[in-house]
Amino acid sequence: AQTVTQSQPEMSVQEAETVTLSCTYDTSESDYYLFWYKQPPSRQMILVIRQEAYKQQNATENRFSVNFQKAAKSFSLKISDSQLGDAAMYFCASATPNTNAGKSTFGDGTTLTVKP
Amino acid sequence: DTEVTQTPKHLVMGMTNKKSLKCEQHMGHRAMYWYKQKAKKPPELMFVYSYEKLSINESVPSRFSPECPNSSLLNLHLHALQPEDSALYLCASSQAMDRGGNEQFFGPGTRLTVL
Repeated sequence: AQTVTQSQPEMSVQEAETVTLSCTYDTSESDYYLFWYKQPPSRQMILVIRQEAYKQQNATENRFSVNFQKAAKSFSLKISDSQLGDAAMYFCASATPNTNAGKSTFGDGTTLTVKP
Repeated sequence: DTEVTQTPKHLVMGMTNKKSLKCEQHMGHRAMYWYKQKAKKPPELMFVYSYEKLSINESVPSRFSPECPNSSLLNLHLHALQPEDSALYLCASSQAMDRGGNEQFFGPGTRLTVL
């Protein structure tokens, strides 16, 4: 079984600053994928960034990057130059292509507030 | 078109009513999902359709009945719901279910209130 833990229910950051959201996971699978999804208030959830477990290089998408520590089973999200539009609930998720295919396991989420 | 649409946006129904939620995507995705989400909580998987066939049912009560008429449409039929079923119902789609690593595209959801 997979588990995903987000230990920070709420975080805040000043506009233009950098913030890191934490995520740890546990899986017995060797092949898996990790995701960060963003859900703004009253708007639809979108993918922020995706990481394949077999890739050592950390994924990056513009101002968003991850710190993937496979041995420690850690997958944190760094948001640089935070903008007001980054305010949202962020979910860390994992998925495996073989067992439990089709199921993503979500963490409980972190609500990010961006202060102007 | 990278959009998943859901109708209606809001739905209020009594416990004896029958209603349906609709989801549509035109991205050629062959996996479609229904999730239930309570406020400030992660989405909970309810059903997964893969190539128009029900692949996963997460022990959802029979008062929720999914249907996949074709590869672009997904319905959720509701009957005799309980007040605790009030939630945001999200639809999502992805290229395929079997590889697990595919991004899910989410719709905006239907806000359901059961009186």
